[in-house]
Amino acid sequence: GQQVMQIPQYQHVQEGEDFTTYCNSSTTLSNIQWYKQRPGGHPVFLIQLVKSGEVKKQKRLTFQFGEAKKNSSLHITATQTTDVGTYFCAGPPNDYKLSFGAGTTVTVRA
Amino acid sequence: KAGVTQTPRYLIKTRGQQVTLSCSPISGHRSVSWYQQTPGQGLQFLFEYFSETQRNKGNFPGRFSGRQFSNSRSEMNVSTLELGDSALYLCASSLGGGTNDNEQFFGPGTRLTVL
Repeated sequence: GQQVMQIPQYQHVQEGEDFTTYCNSSTTLSNIQWYKQRPGGHPVFLIQLVKSGEVKKQKRLTFQFGEAKKNSSLHITATQTTDVGTYFCAGPPNDYKLSFGAGTTVTVRA
Repeated sequence: KAGVTQTPRYLIKTRGQQVTLSCSPISGHRSVSWYQQTPGQGLQFLFEYFSETQRNKGNFPGRFSGRQFSNSRSEMNVSTLELGDSALYLCASSLGGGTNDNEQFFGPGTRLTVL
């Protein structure tokens, strides 16, 4: 079955630095979604990418969908303490089900 | 619009007991999915209901079951609880119309502890 893999599992970042987290699928995805879960909270939808090579930005966050639609990345610039949390990517093995990656847990050093 | 609500928020049970968790989706959302979240396993898909029918099922034993009512509210039941069932159980609702309508809106979760 489809598996969505995320790397790295943990990311320790100095405040102000940039970092990238990656998501890879064993199969082609019709779309990919990204979620953020703050410590003690629940996952919150960030964005959905649908088109091959698509790039979307949300302030300091840049999301990219690979040309082959099998990988995606989230790049955060000038990391802030508000970026702390776990970032999940999720892809649908079919129209009505999402397969979540294990997540990248981000901590920030002030 | 009110968000997804889940009850109870916290639950403590002992091995062998059964438990029922409840989820009320966002008004207008017909799809409800359930996930189990544990520190080591991440978000594991349990099942998804749409218009009272189970459309998808994850790889969990038959002790885990669910249902959806005509008002889209959903319940999840776990029978014969085991220690390993301790987890955060998250419910998520979506429009459920297909690939571009499956943005998940998560509830706060039910923290289940099995002793």
